[in-house]
Amino acid sequence: EVQLVESGGGLVQPGGSLRLSCAASGFTFSYHYIDWLRQAPGKGLEWVGRSRNKANSYTTEYAASVKDRFTILRDDSKDSLYLQMNSLKSEDSAIYYCARANMAAAPFFDYWGQGTLVTVSS
Amino acid sequence: DIQMTQSPSSLSASVGDRVTITCRASQGIRNYLAWFQQKPGKAPKSLIYDTSSLQSGVPSKFSGSGSGTDYTLTISNLQPEDFATYYCQQYSSYPLTFGGGTKVEIK
Repeated sequence: EVQLVESGGGLVQPGGSLRLSCAASGFTFSYHYIDWLRQAPGKGLEWVGRSRNKANSYTTEYAASVKDRFTILRDDSKDSLYLQMNSLKSEDSAIYYCARANMAAAPFFDYWGQGTLVTVSS
Repeated sequence: DIQMTQSPSSLSASVGDRVTITCRASQGIRNYLAWFQQKPGKAPKSLIYDTSSLQSGVPSKFSGSGSGTDYTLTISNLQPEDFATYYCQQYSSYPLTFGGGTKVEIK
C-alpha cells in the first residue's frame, strides 16, 4: 500500500525556519518525482515545488512564491523527502502535503499524504 | 503562468443528480488536466488524469472530457459521499496550477 506521511509542522515565528519531512512506503521511492503542495486555511490548493528522481539528476522546481526561501531535499536511502523552509512569512501558514507523481510522459499526482500544519505567527 | 478558472465556485444538487464542473485554462494544456476531490479535513484524492483517465479504484460515475483550454468533470448519480470540493489542475507546464475549486453541496 502506497503511503506518504508528513511530519514536522508546528508554530514558528515570522522570519523563522522549519523543516518538514515526508516519509514514503509501499513503492519504489527513488523512481518517482515527489512534490510539496499546500493549502492555506479555507483556501484552495497551491503547488510548492517538485523533486525529480535520480534519473533526472534530482533537479527541482519551485513556485515563485517560495523560490529562494524553500529548498526541497531528498534522501532515497531513507525513502524520504524534506522541505526546508526559511524566512517564513504569515502567508506561508498552511497545511503542507507531499504527493507522489505517477511517472507517465507528463507526471501526474496519484497519491497524497495527510498533511502537516504549519502556522507562522508571533 | 497558466491560470485555471473553475466554474461554478459552488453548486447545490440532490442525491441522484448529474452535475458538471467546468475548468478553463488561460492557454492550451495538451489534455494534461487532472481532477481531485477533497472532503472537509481530509487530503485531496486523485480522481482523473490526462483529462479523462480514471485513477485506480475511482468509480465510473466520474468522467472527464475536454481539449485545448476547456475541460469538464461530470459526476453521475450523485451520492452523499460525493458531496465535497473538486479541484482541477494542469500539469502541462510549470508552475503547476489549480483551479479555485467547486464546492458541491446537498440541496
